Amino acid sequence: KNQVEQSPQSLIILEGKNCTLQCNYTVSPFSNLRWYKQDTGRGPVSLTIMTFSENTKSNGRYTATLDADTKQSSLHITASQLSDSASYICVARPRDRDDKIIFGKGTRLHILP
Amino acid sequence: SAVISQKPSRDICQRGTSLTIQCQVDSQVTMMFWYRQQPGQSLTLIATANQGSEATYESGFVIDKFPISRPNLTFSTLTVSNMSPEDSSIYLCSVDHEQFFGPGTRLTVL
Repeated sequence: KNQVEQSPQSLIILEGKNCTLQCNYTVSPFSNLRWYKQDTGRGPVSLTIMTFSENTKSNGRYTATLDADTKQSSLHITASQLSDSASYICVARPRDRDDKIIFGKGTRLHILP
Repeated sequence: SAVISQKPSRDICQRGTSLTIQCQVDSQVTMMFWYRQQPGQSLTLIATANQGSEATYESGFVIDKFPISRPNLTFSTLTVSNMSPEDSSIYLCSVDHEQFFGPGTRLTVL
């Protein structure tokens, strides 16, 4: 069964600190993996997308990594800012277009001043 | 990129009534996707709407409960019919294979 599991469920860090969010997936065969940021009361916004052949992708202070062998991805946030407070959602897309994409439940990140 | 707007942004409705949610995209798209996000849960695909054909519903979702219209390449509506408190969720539309999402409609059913 295709699944995406994210950890931790929630995280609190101080402004300026770095953090790493984890995503484990069982989607196979696998096409790509995307990380989204969802602010409270808003729709998800795509941060990065990686195909199975890519190991890392950056978007400003956000860096995503992918290990297709272990089926793990991480999202690293550098020098966190108050505006980084949001939910971060990992999404895996199967290679078979008849299979629907799988959303994780997200990690709720709180940045404290 | 695509800019998506949704109306209403939020609503509080009575049990047994229906609500129609509108999704407008600033460019022409072939496929539009409707999602539901229940509190504390991940996004769940309700249906895929193609212009000029019937929407394709995912398991657990039926047309009588969630009728969808797709009159042109920039617009779609999702109706939540005969609502119950279990329908309280955020409803989102998406285009370009989930690369872009609308801001969502927060629905509360009393």
